[in-house]
Amino acid sequence: DGGITQSPKYLFRKEGQNVTLSCEQNLNHDAMYWYRQDPGQGLRLIYYSQIVNDFQKGDIAEGYSVSREKKESFPLTVTSAQKNPTAFYLCASSIRGSSSGANVLTFGAGSRLTVL
Amino acid sequence: DAKTTQPNSMESNEEEPVHLPCNHSTISGTDYIHWYRQLPSQGPEYVIHGLTSNVNNRMASLAIAEDRKSSTLILHRATLRDAAVYYCITHAGNNRKLIWGLGTSLAVNP
Repeated sequence: DGGITQSPKYLFRKEGQNVTLSCEQNLNHDAMYWYRQDPGQGLRLIYYSQIVNDFQKGDIAEGYSVSREKKESFPLTVTSAQKNPTAFYLCASSIRGSSSGANVLTFGAGSRLTVL
Repeated sequence: DAKTTQPNSMESNEEEPVHLPCNHSTISGTDYIHWYRQLPSQGPEYVIHGLTSNVNNRMASLAIAEDRKSSTLILHRATLRDAAVYYCITHAGNNRKLIWGLGTSLAVNP
């Protein structure tokens, strides 16, 4: 079945450590996104990529980095510069990055990061 | 994309219909209305979307007001598996600009 796989599902990290969250899709989607979800807040966009080797900052990109070397992969690194990294991280993809309001997002199951 | 307003929570009984309202009074003419739902500790799941006409699919129905300032997601027979947070968002074509609110938390009683 086609879909998005995020790993790991749960991750614990000590303060000052970088950590990389994996996101892989086999939907042949062009666009991929990373969101952060905190209790009491809506989803917030961290980074997005509409095509291989190109990505753009979202609303809360500080302290995060991404790469898009392959169409199917969009890993997110949470760096030690991110002041409050404990959150639920969601990866999503869509057929096209923009142009149609009918464009539907497909989400992964999420990765929960806890900083100790 | 226009901001949407939804009730914080709703409750339903199993096997009864559920009508989840959404207000999007500032929607523009080309914005689609999308609904997603999120089960606990899962990613959001697409439910349905529409532009002007009412829409039906295997999961739900979407009723859009004639002036498009509001819409209603209809679950025809709620099951315990429908207990989730339901998000209504408007979509003008740029996924980068979607505004996600807190949604409606639906509880389904057995």
